[in-house]
Amino acid sequence: GEDVEQSLFLSVREGDSSVINCTYTDSSSTYLYWYKQEPGAGLQLLTYIFSNMDMKQDQRLTVLLNKKDKHLSLRIADTQTGDSAIYFCADSYNNNDMRFGAGTRLTVKP
Amino acid sequence: DAGVTQSPTHLIKTRGQQVTLRCSPKSGHDTVSWYQQALGQGPQFIFQYYEEEERQRGNFPDRFSGHQFPNYSSELNVNALLLGDSALYLCASSLAGHHTEAFFGQGTRLTVV
Repeated sequence: GEDVEQSLFLSVREGDSSVINCTYTDSSSTYLYWYKQEPGAGLQLLTYIFSNMDMKQDQRLTVLLNKKDKHLSLRIADTQTGDSAIYFCADSYNNNDMRFGAGTRLTVKP
Repeated sequence: DAGVTQSPTHLIKTRGQQVTLRCSPKSGHDTVSWYQQALGQGPQFIFQYYEEEERQRGNFPDRFSGHQFPNYSSELNVNALLLGDSALYLCASSLAGHHTEAFFGQGTRLTVV
C-alpha cells in the first residue's frame, strides 16, 4: 500500500531551528499535512500544503514540498520547549481520508 | 464553542466483548471521521460519515461499524474485541468540502484485556 515515512526522533536546543522530514509514496497525493500531538491529547493541525505548491510559510513554520522526490519537510524556527511533541506528516488524495506517518518525537533541550 | 468531544476518555473491555465510542463534532461541522492510533504509531483511517452514511472506509474488518445521527454526532462500534484493538480512537470532524480544516478530539483510550 501507499506509505508515509518519517524519522522517529529529533532533538534540538532551544532557540535552534528544527527540521522534520517526511517522504510519501503516492504520487496522486494532493494534500499534505503536518499535525502536532502533545502527551494525552488529540491531533492539532499545524499547517497543510496543496501539491501544486512548493513552499508555505506561517509565522515560525515553513513547509517545503519536493513533489518530484515526494519529500515534505517542516521547519520550526526559534524552537521553544513548548514545541516538544510528536509531529505527524500525513497525505491525502481526496481530502477524505488521511494517511499518517508514525510520527517524529521532537525533544527541545533548554 | 466546544470543539470535538469524545466519550468516554478511557475504557477497559474484555476480549470478545463489544464497545461503543461516541463523538460530537465541532459546531457547524457535518462530517465525522474515525481513526485508530496504536501505541507508537500514526493514526489509521477507519471510516468517514456524512449525511448519516458511510462515505469512505479504510482497511478495517466488518467488526468495526459506525453510525451518524441527524445532529451529526457519531458512534464507532467494535464487536468481538481482540487484544490488538487496544488503541487510542480518534474522531475528527470537518465541514464537507473543507476537509483541510479537520479538528480532532482528545480520543478514547481503549484497553482490551
